[in-house]
Amino acid sequence: GAVVSQHPSRVICKSGTSVKIECRSLDFQATTMFWYRQFPKKSLMLMATSNEGSKATYEQGVEKDKFLINHASLTLSTLTVTSAHPEDSSFYICSATRPASTDTQYFGPGTRLTVL
Amino acid sequence: SQQGEEDPQALSIQEGENATMNCSYKTSINNLQWYRQNSGRGLVHLILIRSNEREKHSGRLRVTLDTSKKSSSLLITASRAADTASYFCATDATGGANSKLTFGKGITLSVRP
Repeated sequence: GAVVSQHPSRVICKSGTSVKIECRSLDFQATTMFWYRQFPKKSLMLMATSNEGSKATYEQGVEKDKFLINHASLTLSTLTVTSAHPEDSSFYICSATRPASTDTQYFGPGTRLTVL
Repeated sequence: SQQGEEDPQALSIQEGENATMNCSYKTSINNLQWYRQNSGRGLVHLILIRSNEREKHSGRLRVTLDTSKKSSSLLITASRAADTASYFCATDATGGANSKLTFGKGITLSVRP
């Protein structure tokens, strides 16, 4: 159990457009969902923490107006990269925790965003 | 900011050998976790060790934690080619709901068949 999916797995868009990435917990209701960003051969950087029905908590330096997070249900969180620029190109990974084990995060497979 | 720092950055071993990876951190923790990431994929949780634990086993994995030295090690015994991946340690300062993980830079492990 504890499967997290992301959609799409890859997306290429033009500069100035917006891109939405979905994160779903398939077989459990997620207490909390997290969004990370990972540059090539680098570590994961936490962008924001999101709980269902409440506003996301963004990490320092992350623009909340640029990276919109919506957590509409206990199984779905979305990250929208607004007015994307080439420097937003990255690997975006979400994770989720379940009520029974909030210390363990279950990660999605990631979304590769390329902004031309 | 980076909490965990893994050592070495890259490790290449022969199949069947043991692989030892180290992680050091700076501030106090509730727990420390190790994850594996295959190229271009998401992370897979391997093992969690709490601050009051010193050693933990899971299959071919053995994790130790020394809170006095603020360090942890991950040992993979009898390595296989399929163990080739990047390995990250992540620290959790508080535990519980809304706890956040801080990841190290990762270790690239290559296991030669």
